[in-house]
Amino acid sequence: DIVMTQTPLSSPVTLGQPASISCSSSQSLVDSDGNTYLSWLQQRPGQPPRLLIYKISNRFSGVPDRFTGSGAGTDFTLKISRVEAEDVGVYYCMQGTHFPYTFGQGTKLEIK
Amino acid sequence: VQLVESGGGLAQPGRSLRLSCTTSGFTFGEYSMSWFRQAPGKGLEWVGFIRDKGYGGTTEYAASVKGRFSISRDDSKSIAYLQMNSLKTEDTAVYYCSRGAKWPDYWGQGTLVTVSS
Repeated sequence: DIVMTQTPLSSPVTLGQPASISCSSSQSLVDSDGNTYLSWLQQRPGQPPRLLIYKISNRFSGVPDRFTGSGAGTDFTLKISRVEAEDVGVYYCMQGTHFPYTFGQGTKLEIK
Repeated sequence: VQLVESGGGLAQPGRSLRLSCTTSGFTFGEYSMSWFRQAPGKGLEWVGFIRDKGYGGTTEYAASVKGRFSISRDDSKSIAYLQMNSLKTEDTAVYYCSRGAKWPDYWGQGTLVTVSS
């Protein structure tokens, strides 16, 4: 199975400051069709997951432009340019290239 | 787009449950549908998905549920199902359905399944 490793696991951030979460995979996530199926999801407390980013850097409908995804191959990053109170929650990376699809452990974003 | 899971509850080990994912707001038959779960206080786990009929309506499963769980769909009703047999205590989790497979875009609120004697 592909192991997805996120760092950090916890990220205390000051409101208005940037935040960054890294995700690395144990194998390349480039699919045979040339796409890289790496997504980022946000889970606010008590809520279901919400898709933020798909295929490394594509922002999903309604997602604020302060969220940016980047990376290639096995190393990926989610950046939040200016953290707002509503961004508190757990962030997961997910790979949809290799079966079984797998998630990172999650990164808890909290406000200092 | 809306997805609503139902059918969760308490089940004894070895018993069965069937979850439903009732959808609206999109052309159901054109999308793969996925199931995920989240054990209490834990992270997300992929359970499996069913392709749309254009891709044969075939299914894929996680090893932890293969042979015990099965996913099906009724395109006429816009509902996806997760049939869970031979339940184990480690199947206790909130179960979510979502639209899509390689990147699940819309998610339901989830339904809690508790497996306990």
